[in-house]
Amino acid sequence: DARVTQTPRHKVTEMGQEVTMRCQPILGHNTVFWYRQTMMQGLELLAYFRNRAPLDDSGMPKDRFSAEMPDATLATLKIQPSEPRDSAVYFCASGLVLVTGGVENIQYFGAGTRLSVL
Amino acid sequence: SQQGEEDPQALSIQEGENATMNCSYKTSINNLQWYRQNSGRGLVHLILIRSNEREKHSGRLRVTLDTSKKSSSLLITASRAADTASYFCATAPVWGNNRLAFGKGNQVVVIP
Repeated sequence: DARVTQTPRHKVTEMGQEVTMRCQPILGHNTVFWYRQTMMQGLELLAYFRNRAPLDDSGMPKDRFSAEMPDATLATLKIQPSEPRDSAVYFCASGLVLVTGGVENIQYFGAGTRLSVL
Repeated sequence: SQQGEEDPQALSIQEGENATMNCSYKTSINNLQWYRQNSGRGLVHLILIRSNEREKHSGRLRVTLDTSKKSSSLLITASRAADTASYFCATAPVWGNNRLAFGKGNQVVVIP
């Protein structure tokens, strides 16, 4: 049963600490998305990778957030230093873009990392 | 960028009743999708309708798309308590870069 795996599921940290969230996309998928979900803002796209290359990270605060894909099986989202306003649920999603076209854009979401910054 | 907007925002119904949600968007799309999110979980894809389709069915789900009005509706028939969740519409742009623009979600509570 293929699924997107995110770790940790919950993270409580103090302001100023570094936070690293990890995502294992579905094997064979070539696109990875990071989202942040809050009650006020809803679901916000933070970063988007295709074939491990960052295509769009305009939704991400550049001074403290960074997203990488060290290899095809791992995507990371780091916050350094963390702030209370970063408290949210962070989702990773993966999908498949076909070289021949016919993109259907379906995204498969992980269970999320619930981050609380005190 | 495009943004799906669901309407109504919250819906409470009795088990067995039908639930209807609407979604509007602003620009041309390649397809429109509906996702479900149970409390504390990630979003799960439910159904996709292409821009050249007007209606699609999947089990108890029925989706319609009116591209002239830039709107879609999701109907859940014979609702069950397990249908209690938030439902999101998401639009895919015409140029197909695999991004989706999600709406703010529509909370549905099905009372047993």
